[in-house]
Formats: sequence, structure tokens, C-alpha cells
Amino acid sequence: GDSVTQMEGPVTLSEEAFLTINCTYTATGYPSLFWYVQYPGEGLQLLLKATKADDKGSNKGFEATYRKETTSFHLEKGSVQVSDSAVYFCALLNDYKLSFGAGTTVTVRA
Amino acid sequence: DTAVSQTPKYLVTQMGNDKSIKCEQNLGHDTMYWYKQDSKKFLKIMFSYNNKELIINETVPNRFSPKSPDKAHLNLHINSLELGDSAVYFCASSLRWNGEKLFFGSGTQLSVL
Repeated sequence: GDSVTQMEGPVTLSEEAFLTINCTYTATGYPSLFWYVQYPGEGLQLLLKATKADDKGSNKGFEATYRKETTSFHLEKGSVQVSDSAVYFCALLNDYKLSFGAGTTVTVRA
Repeated sequence: DTAVSQTPKYLVTQMGNDKSIKCEQNLGHDTMYWYKQDSKKFLKIMFSYNNKELIINETVPNRFSPKSPDKAHLNLHINSLELGDSAVYFCASSLRWNGEKLFFGSGTQLSVL
């Protein structure tokens, strides 16, 4: 079946540091890929998405590129802020079913 | 205006009790979902309804029964609660049943004592 594997957290960074969260997937066919973010005490919200190979999703300074050859969709941000502290989920949509990774907790310190 | 609202936010109850969680969306979406998030933040889909019809029913105990009176509401009823049911339950909706761009509620923290 489909699955998503993302790097374990927690990840703790200083403000203005570079953030990378690795995500790899296993799926048949041509899935769409997503990053969702969950701020403390809130539900998940869509951060960015990519629907085909080599697509780059971007939002709020975050970027991720759909790499079919490495089955990866790593999330990056060049300079994080305290407000980026959250849990980040990589997700895969295939056959109308959305599968999530285990989530990576990111804490950014001032 | 809250797009996807679920109540209650916190629910503390004893083993063996029956409880319900309500969810409403005002986005005009066709599809609604229930997800369970465990203590390690892992999210797992439980149910999905499209226009009041059940379309996804994952391996969930029969004690869990979703009910969708109309496409704006999806309630979750749980019978004979067990310790292992303690988790955060999220309701979500999407415009269509293709699963793209889910909008989540803020969750219901269920604690079974």
C-alpha cells in the first residue's frame, strides 16, 4: 500500500536558520504530494502541494520539489521564524485517499 | 467564521461510556472526514462521506459509528469507550471527494479514564 516516511523529530532551530524536513514516499501510479502544517492547538492546514514530477510547491517561504526519481518531497525554508514552530506533515494523495506521514515537530527559538 | 467546527474541544469520560463528537462545515464542501491522531501525532483516516454517502471506512471498531444527516454535518458516535480510544479526533472537509486540499477542524481531545 501507499506510505509516507518523514524524518523524525523533534527538530529545534534558532531563528533565521535553514530548515529541511525529509519526506519520501512509496506509491503506485502518479500520486500528488502535500505538506500540511499544524500550529499548536489547531487543526492541520495545507501549506503547499505538487501534483506531478518536477513540480515545485511554495508558500510562506517554504518550498518542496516533487522528485519522482528519488520518490521524495523534502520541505525547505531558508530562514525560519519563531512563528514557524509547528508540526509538519508530509502527505500523499493516490486513488482519492490521503495518507499522512508521522509528522515532524519543529521548534524555533528566538 | 469558523470553516470547520467541531464540538466539544475536550471530552473526558469513563471507560464504558458512550459519547458523540459533532462536526459542521460552512464551506459548501461535498466531502467530510474523521481522522484520529494518536499521542505520537500520527494521523489515520477513519471515515469519509461524500454527499452523505459513506465512501471510506477504514479498519475501525464497530463501536465507532459516523452519521451524516446532511452534507454539512458529520458526527461521530463512540460506544463502550476504551482506554485506547484516547486521542485527538479531527474532522475535515474538502470541496470534492478527490481528497485534495482538506480543511481541518481544531480537534477534539478525548481522554478515557
